[in-house]
Formats: sequence, structure tokens, C-alpha cells
Amino acid sequence: GNSVTQMEGPVTLSEEAFLTINCTYTATGYPSLFWYVQYPGEGLQLLLKATKADDKGSNKGFEATYRKETTSFHLEKGSVQVSDSAVYFCALSDLAYSGAGSYQLTFGKGTKLSVIP
Amino acid sequence: GAGVSQSPSNKVTEKGKDVELRCDPISGHTALYWYRQSLGQGLEFLIYFQGNSAPDKSGLPSDRFSAERTGGSVSTLTIQRTQQEDSAVYLCASSLRPPATTDTQYFGPGTRLTVL
Repeated sequence: GNSVTQMEGPVTLSEEAFLTINCTYTATGYPSLFWYVQYPGEGLQLLLKATKADDKGSNKGFEATYRKETTSFHLEKGSVQVSDSAVYFCALSDLAYSGAGSYQLTFGKGTKLSVIP
Repeated sequence: GAGVSQSPSNKVTEKGKDVELRCDPISGHTALYWYRQSLGQGLEFLIYFQGNSAPDKSGLPSDRFSAERTGGSVSTLTIQRTQQEDSAVYLCASSLRPPATTDTQYFGPGTRLTVL
């Protein structure tokens, strides 16, 4: 079956530090890849996505590149801010694994990021 | 426009009681999903609706869980005879059209269920 593995947290960084959150996946078919973010007290929000190999998703200074050869979709940001403190989830959607074409998302466990001033 | 809304935001119930959780998807979204977020299991898929039908119920953990959707819009997740292990945040998501792997799912704020 499908699975997503992302680095365990929590991760604590100082403001303006470089961020990498590793994500690797196993998929039956040819998935689309997503990063969702959950800010304290809020629901899940899409941060970025990539739908085919070598695509780069980007938003709010965050980037992730779909690497089919390494089955990875690592999240990076060059300079984090206190407002980036949140839980980040890597996820995939894969028709080959979806019952009745549901395209359900398979999530990693989440990585909690804390950015300190 | 309005996002996905869920009610109640918090629900505390006693073991053995039935609960109903409601989801209002984004207007015009045909696909609707329920997920569960718990400390031990992370985010898990429960059920998928396309219109009013549920072609994928593979994530429902037991026959105590059921869901329906009416008018291609509002969905209700019902948990009968609640158990303590049902305590979790229940998330609803919707997407615009008959889904594809590329589609974005938009999530509601969730209902936090606590079973005492």
C-alpha cells in the first residue's frame, strides 16, 4: 500500500534559519504530492503541491520538488519566521491506491516546527 | 467565499452515547471526505462521497461508524455507542469536481470529540 514518511519532530529553529523537512513516499501508481500546514488552533491548509516528476511547488517562501528517482518531496524554506511555527504534513494522492476512485490523501505523521525569535 | 465548516467544534460525550458530526462543504464541491486525526494514528481517511453516494467507505473503523450526504452538500458522520478510542479530531474536506490526483482538498476546522 501507499505510505508517507516524514522526519520526526519537534523541530526548533531560530528566526531566519534554513528549514528542511524530509518527506519520502511509497506509492503504487503515479501520485500527486502535497504539503499541508496546520497553524495552532486552525484547520489544515494546503501549502503547496506538485503533480508530476521534477515539478516544484512553492508558496510563502516554501518550496518542494517532486523527485521520482528518490521518491522524495522535501520541504525547504530559506529563512523561517516566528509565524511559520506550525505542524507540517506531507501527503500523497494516488488513484492506483484509492478505492472506487476516491483519491483519498495518505498523510505522514506530521512535523511540529517551532521558530524562536 | 465561505470555506468548509464543521459543527460542533467540540463535543464531549459519555461512553456508549451516539454522536453526530456535521460538515458543510464549499458550495459546488462534489467530492467530500471525512478524516480522523488522533495522537496515536495521525491522519486517517474514513469515507469519501461523490455527490450523495459513498463509493469508498474503506476507512471506517467499525460498523458503529456511518455517514450520509444529502442534496450533494451537507454530510453527517454518526458514531454509535461511542468508545474512548473514538476520541479524536474529525476533519471534513471537499474538492471541486469528480476528483483527480491533482485536486486540492480543502479542509474544515474539525470537530474535537472527547469520549469520557
